[in-house]
Amino acid sequence: AQSVTQPDIHITVSEGASLELRCNYSYGATPYLFWYVQSPGQGLQLLLKYFSGDTLVQGIKGFEAEFKRSQSSFNLRKPSVHWSDAAEYFCAVGTNAGKSTFGDGTTLTVKP
Amino acid sequence: DTAVSQTPKYLVTQMGNDKSIKCEQNLGHDTMYWYKQDSKKFLKIMFSYNNKELIINETVPNRFSPKSPDKAHLNLHINSLELGDSAVCFCASRDLQETQYFGPGTRLLVL
Repeated sequence: AQSVTQPDIHITVSEGASLELRCNYSYGATPYLFWYVQSPGQGLQLLLKYFSGDTLVQGIKGFEAEFKRSQSSFNLRKPSVHWSDAAEYFCAVGTNAGKSTFGDGTTLTVKP
Repeated sequence: DTAVSQTPKYLVTQMGNDKSIKCEQNLGHDTMYWYKQDSKKFLKIMFSYNNKELIINETVPNRFSPKSPDKAHLNLHINSLELGDSAVCFCASRDLQETQYFGPGTRLLVL
């Protein structure tokens, strides 16, 4: 069975600073990997995804993530954080059986 | 046009009542889901339907019963609501590349 670990429950960064959110997964085959963002009071929105090919994927809102098979990681990065990036971030691993497993989420707070 | 819509957005009810939440997607996807998000924001899958057929049924009390009249709709009926059922319920649909599209959520509060 697949699993996802997001080691950081809560991260605080200053506006304009760089950001990295960690995600580790466990899955026997090559996974489908996702990052979703949830703004307060909203549903989840896809930021980016990895299926195959280039291990560095670009997403919306200036986010990128890098798939590292050797480390079973799919960390999310952004070079300069904006106040509007404050939200809950979820990493997920999916299978071709249609079931996605979500991590417990990381809450991002942005200081002015 | 809203891709995945849910009604109601807020549902406040007394313990013991029976309630339903409706979900509709206009994306043409075959697969839909119900998730539950608790107060700590943990997201857990409850059910998944593919073309009106139940394919995933996680450990959820029998009081929760999904129903899919057609592949664009997935409703959730909950009998005998309990205090512990309070949560945010999200509906989602999935495209052929495994990406999920979430509705805005239904905030369920059982008093």
